[in-house]
Amino acid sequence: NAGVTQTPKFQVLKTGQSMTLQCAQDMNHNSMYWYRQDPGMGLRLIYYSASEGTTDKGEVPNGYNVSRLNKREFSLRLESAAPSQTSVYFCASSEPRGPQETQYFGPGTRLLVL
Amino acid sequence: LAKTTQPISMDSYEGQEVNITCSHNNIATNDYITWYQQFPSQGPRFIIQGYKTKVTNEVASLFIPADRKSSTLSLPRVSLSDTAVYYCLVGDVRYNAGNNRKLIWGLGTSLAVNP
Repeated sequence: NAGVTQTPKFQVLKTGQSMTLQCAQDMNHNSMYWYRQDPGMGLRLIYYSASEGTTDKGEVPNGYNVSRLNKREFSLRLESAAPSQTSVYFCASSEPRGPQETQYFGPGTRLLVL
Repeated sequence: LAKTTQPISMDSYEGQEVNITCSHNNIATNDYITWYQQFPSQGPRFIIQGYKTKVTNEVASLFIPADRKSSTLSLPRVSLSDTAVYYCLVGDVRYNAGNNRKLIWGLGTSLAVNP
């Protein structure tokens, strides 16, 4: 199993450009998440999907859209990139085991917006 | 949503026990406490999770007092490879949490283990 994979690993954008970050998991998990991580800010939840066909906003959703394409894939789109969106983006998936769940993270996508 | 507070950094030496405390004064009834470990340029990795009292696994122990307003991650006999950032996470992670599953992460504790 590859676990959680993310593409691309690195990306440089100019302000105003758009792009989609891809995430896929092969663990048959229902829930998937997108986080961003900035220095001194810890991880902040952008969007999450509790199950296929559902998405919900997290702590910092502005400037982003998501698509839960199927059970495996959860993409994050930046329609018009801004320098404030320079960050490391992590995708995660989770599956409840009994009363609780744990999250499994991808390797991250490093995005620089100029 | 519960917010957490952790020390920004800690130093230790190989072979010592390390205890990292997280404060979560506003923890809700259905919230669990989870700790993750993160190495540079990698995604976080699950360490341990608990609701109350004490939980132990092969890598760590988690102590949660009766009022659940804090928790302590205990790493026995740390090695250089335990140098990482440790995150305390509080939230409702039950299988039926649905759209209530919005998790708040702490800022993390940067642990440096010295030879």
